[in-house]
Amino acid sequence: DAMVIQNPRYQVTQFGKPVTLSCSQTLNHNVMYWYQQKSSQAPKLLFHYYDKDFNNEADTPDNFQSRRPNTSFCFLDIRSPGLGDAAMYLCATSRVAGPANTIYFGEGSWLTVV
Amino acid sequence: TQLLEQSPQFLSIQEGENLTVYCNSSSVFSSLQWYRQEPGEGPVLLVTVVTGGEVKKLKRLTFQFGDARKDSSLHITAAQPGDTGLYLCAGDPPWGDSSYKLIFGSGTRLLVRP
Repeated sequence: DAMVIQNPRYQVTQFGKPVTLSCSQTLNHNVMYWYQQKSSQAPKLLFHYYDKDFNNEADTPDNFQSRRPNTSFCFLDIRSPGLGDAAMYLCATSRVAGPANTIYFGEGSWLTVV
Repeated sequence: TQLLEQSPQFLSIQEGENLTVYCNSSSVFSSLQWYRQEPGEGPVLLVTVVTGGEVKKLKRLTFQFGDARKDSSLHITAAQPGDTGLYLCAGDPPWGDSSYKLIFGSGTRLLVRP
């Protein structure tokens, strides 16, 4: 059974129209991440939540926001999507408990901007 | 800044051949993970290596962590078309140094031709 669930799997939005991607986890992990992945590249970390603490990467555009209302859910909000924001967005979780931190990914949400 | 260099970037081989993918860094990692990602899906964890010099086997896949915990390799024996995908290595920085933010290699795209 999927442990990190992303919805929707495929999203088409218009240029400039806000979009929200959701992620839920059944692992009770304290860290949740959002990554952006473009074609055949490594995932790029946008931000993460360590419990309720939000940590933004320095190069993440202001256009990207996130919310984590509770342990199980996390949302990625793109306020004004541009053509360059078309990508796969990956949610991931981990339980920080010493070395050998392992990250579990969802199946991803494909975003197309038209 | 910790970096992971992955090589080769792209590999196209015939079914039945052997191959090795390398992941190298000048930095020490407390652990290192290997993921495989198929098109349109999220990365799936293959293995985590923690101890310097550790070797783990997963059927036809052999993973090795360098003695100094700065590098790792993935060897596939008798590759099959089902092995096709993007292989990502990801290092976990030493504990206490933002250790829950994995450092990803650039990926190796493997194509196994029937």
